[in-house]
Amino acid sequence: EAGVAQSPRYKIIEKRQSVAFWCNPISGHATLYWYQQILGQGPKLLIQFQNNGVVDDSQLPKDRFSAERLKGVDSTLKIQPAKLEDSAVYLCASSLARGGSSYEQYFGPGTRLTVT
Amino acid sequence: GDSVTQMEGPVTLSEEAFLTINCTYTATGYPSLFWYVQYPGEGLQLLLKATKADDKGSNKGFEATYRKETTSFHLEKGSVQVSDSAVYFCALTPGSGYSTLTFGKGTMLLVSP
Repeated sequence: EAGVAQSPRYKIIEKRQSVAFWCNPISGHATLYWYQQILGQGPKLLIQFQNNGVVDDSQLPKDRFSAERLKGVDSTLKIQPAKLEDSAVYLCASSLARGGSSYEQYFGPGTRLTVT
Repeated sequence: GDSVTQMEGPVTLSEEAFLTINCTYTATGYPSLFWYVQYPGEGLQLLLKATKADDKGSNKGFEATYRKETTSFHLEKGSVQVSDSAVYFCALTPGSGYSTLTFGKGTMLLVSP
């Protein structure tokens, strides 16, 4: 089966510009996650969707970050305006369902963002 | 809050050497524990997991045992290969049915022929 798809793979922007990332989860996966992975650190959850509803966005910097998952399939994550500290890899993951550790999360290859 | 601490890398080994990557955690309740691996240029992949105390997860020659008394989940492999070179992440989810992963900082493993 096809894995989690993300685009673009790389993006370079200047600070104060805006940027958007796209994720297509594995078909049939109800839960979708966006993580931020800063160099030298482990991934940190930004937002979690169950179908098209937000389950957890407690660590999303809502003054500049936004995300949506229309129709409960694809998702976009947007940063506006970007700051230097937003330079990171943005990972998308999906799982069959939300509850329980038995639902493995499958990760996409990530989008590497560089803010100059 | 929950947290995961891993040994710092890089860990540099020769092929066929024994591997241990230490991982300890802090969590309330009964978390589930995971090891993920990230090969160069690829996304994270689940390597193994354990969902309750004394469980042993294993996959591809790697294994880790959930030790509640020492709050540890150390990753081991008896004989590493060059192809095992990657970054390894220890992670946990709360034991309350939620699936949010909390990751450690990752440990890079470099295996030379």
